[in-house]
Amino acid sequence: EMRLVQFGGGLVKPGGSLRLSCEASGFNFEKAWMSWVRQAPGTGLEWVGRIISKNDGAAADYTSPVKGRFTISRDDSKNTLFLEMNSLKTEDSAMYYCTSGGAVWGQGALVTVSS
Amino acid sequence: DVVMTQSPLSLPATLGQPASISCRSSQSLVSGNGNTYLSWFQQRPGQSPRRLIYMLSTRDSGVPERFSGSGSGTDFTLKISRVEAEDVAFYYCMQGTHWPPTFGQGTRLEIK
Repeated sequence: EMRLVQFGGGLVKPGGSLRLSCEASGFNFEKAWMSWVRQAPGTGLEWVGRIISKNDGAAADYTSPVKGRFTISRDDSKNTLFLEMNSLKTEDSAMYYCTSGGAVWGQGALVTVSS
Repeated sequence: DVVMTQSPLSLPATLGQPASISCRSSQSLVSGNGNTYLSWFQQRPGQSPRRLIYMLSTRDSGVPERFSGSGSGTDFTLKISRVEAEDVAFYYCMQGTHWPPTFGQGTRLEIK
């Protein structure tokens, strides 16, 4: 069974940092292009960024609101995806999901940015 | 960014009857290779999104046949042939042809 299990999340003050992780199982993580998607409370879905496979260059791309503040990385030896979030703003408060191309989704991790 | 516009935003549906959701993109979603990267997702209350349809009309494994996707260019439709109680959810279209991928606002399907 293809599965993504997320860790991390919590309450952080504006300007603070947080790291989310996402452990994959049941599929070839090394070849997967992985993404992060977020959903602010009561609103729709927003793509945060994506990292392609190492074989394809392991490059990461981000949407404008998070560029320069968020970093996506991967550790293929541990089948794990990471989202490092710095300089957090109140508008970054959301449920964060990892996904493998939209086909498999993690359970979500709630990030609340508040003083 | 490509703007995805869904309608209606709220859809009161009747059990056993068909229902459809429209999605319009601000640019053509036909990619250079001829594929159309348009997906549909279902999100039940308190759950993660679940992909139903990808590449315009291909159903994901395990998705009931009553769900179908169609359209072309900038106009797309998700159809449910016979609504069941378990279909109560938000539905989102998403384009993956242009970076960044963008979602529609979501359509809330409820039972009348």
